[in-house]
Amino acid sequence: QGLLVQSGPEVKRPGSSVRLSCTTSGDTFINKAVHWVRQAPGQGLEWVGQVVPALDKVNLAEKFRGRVTITTDKTSNTVYLEMRSLRFDDTAVFYCARALGSSGWYDSWGQGALVTVSS
Amino acid sequence: DIQMTQSPSTLSASVGDRVTITCRASQNINSWLAWYQQKPGKGPKVLIYKASTLEIGVPARFSGSGSGTEFTLTITNLQPDDFATYYCQQYNFYSSFGQGTKVEV
Repeated sequence: QGLLVQSGPEVKRPGSSVRLSCTTSGDTFINKAVHWVRQAPGQGLEWVGQVVPALDKVNLAEKFRGRVTITTDKTSNTVYLEMRSLRFDDTAVFYCARALGSSGWYDSWGQGALVTVSS
Repeated sequence: DIQMTQSPSTLSASVGDRVTITCRASQNINSWLAWYQQKPGKGPKVLIYKASTLEIGVPARFSGSGSGTEFTLTITNLQPDDFATYYCQQYNFYSSFGQGTKVEV
């Protein structure tokens, strides 16, 4: 079992919302940051945003502000990503990844969760 | 936002070759750069961080260099397991990735 365990695949209609989860260890919650990175089919990696759970400090890539929310549940060491107003081009694998801080390299990745936006 | 540009996008190579991938940042990122390897259907795996520090367990045939705005990943004596896609990531300011380089036969 990895350090970050993600929720399963989702199929959503355009205009709807999706909420993904990433459950981590207590150490990650106390000492690290959790980032979200997405990858459209056949495409590269795109940074979505991050949270430092100990501080509840969230930063999002500019293109996702207003449409994405990142939250945490300290009782279960879980980080959530919610994306609203889904479009066809939001179809992607979403990864959570652990970093030392709000800017950092990723030493551990979740298994990824495929979000398919389809009518 | 810091833009990362990788080249080439595709690289054809053979087992035993030495290959070099370049990554350029749109502004100075000091040495805050990492390299990842990704295979089809899998998540990325870090190879190098802080531009030249090899992650534990990564073979020594991988090396990284550079600072400021220009960086390279070099693979010497390419092995069959190395055919994959490689990404650079800057973490000087949050995070952004290069578009990837596919190393193929």
